[in-house]
Amino acid sequence: SQKIEQNSEALNIQEGKTATLTCNYTNYSPAYLQWYRQDPGRGPVFLLLIRENEKEKRKERLKVTFDTTLKQSLFHITASQPADSATYLCALDPNSSASKIIFGSGTRLSIRP
Amino acid sequence: DAGVIQSPRHEVTEMGQEVTLRCKPISGHDYLFWYRQTMMRGLELLIYFNNNVPIDDSGMPEDRFSAKMPNASFSTLKIQPSEPRDSAVYFCASSYGTGGAPGELFFGEGSRLTVL
Repeated sequence: SQKIEQNSEALNIQEGKTATLTCNYTNYSPAYLQWYRQDPGRGPVFLLLIRENEKEKRKERLKVTFDTTLKQSLFHITASQPADSATYLCALDPNSSASKIIFGSGTRLSIRP
Repeated sequence: DAGVIQSPRHEVTEMGQEVTLRCKPISGHDYLFWYRQTMMRGLELLIYFNNNVPIDDSGMPEDRFSAKMPNASFSTLKIQPSEPRDSAVYFCASSYGTGGAPGELFFGEGSRLTVL
């Protein structure tokens, strides 16, 4: 079956450490993958997009990798801060010829001081 | 720009009643998406439009759900009749497509629906 899986458990990280979140997908061939942040009671907010021909993308303290062979994306937050605590969602286009975007279930990240 | 605007923010209704959720996308965006979010099922795509035309409604749960986009600045999601299992947060998102793909999505704040 087709699905997108993210860390099923919440992630608790000490402030200052690097948080690494995982997004695995099966039976899709996405042209790109996106990461969003969602705070309680708010809509998701776009963070980064990485294309299938890109191995890595960086934005400030954020880094995303995309391995189409492993069908996996890793999302890293370096020098994590309590303000980074939120739910992080990965999203992709399930078929690179289509334009729909579907989401994983999300990983709740907590950064403790 | 004010961003994607959804209304109402909260709706409490009784089973069997009609519910209409509204969305105003960001001006100039040509894609509009409706999602539903629950704890159990996460963020599910219901339907999306490109240039006001419905492209894929395969995520619409059943015939009780319908969506329209009469013009580029307005869309509605209607549930008739509503059932308790429809209780969820409904999000609208819009984006500007490049190369035939929607790219970055801009979400509204959501409409929290409770059906008693």
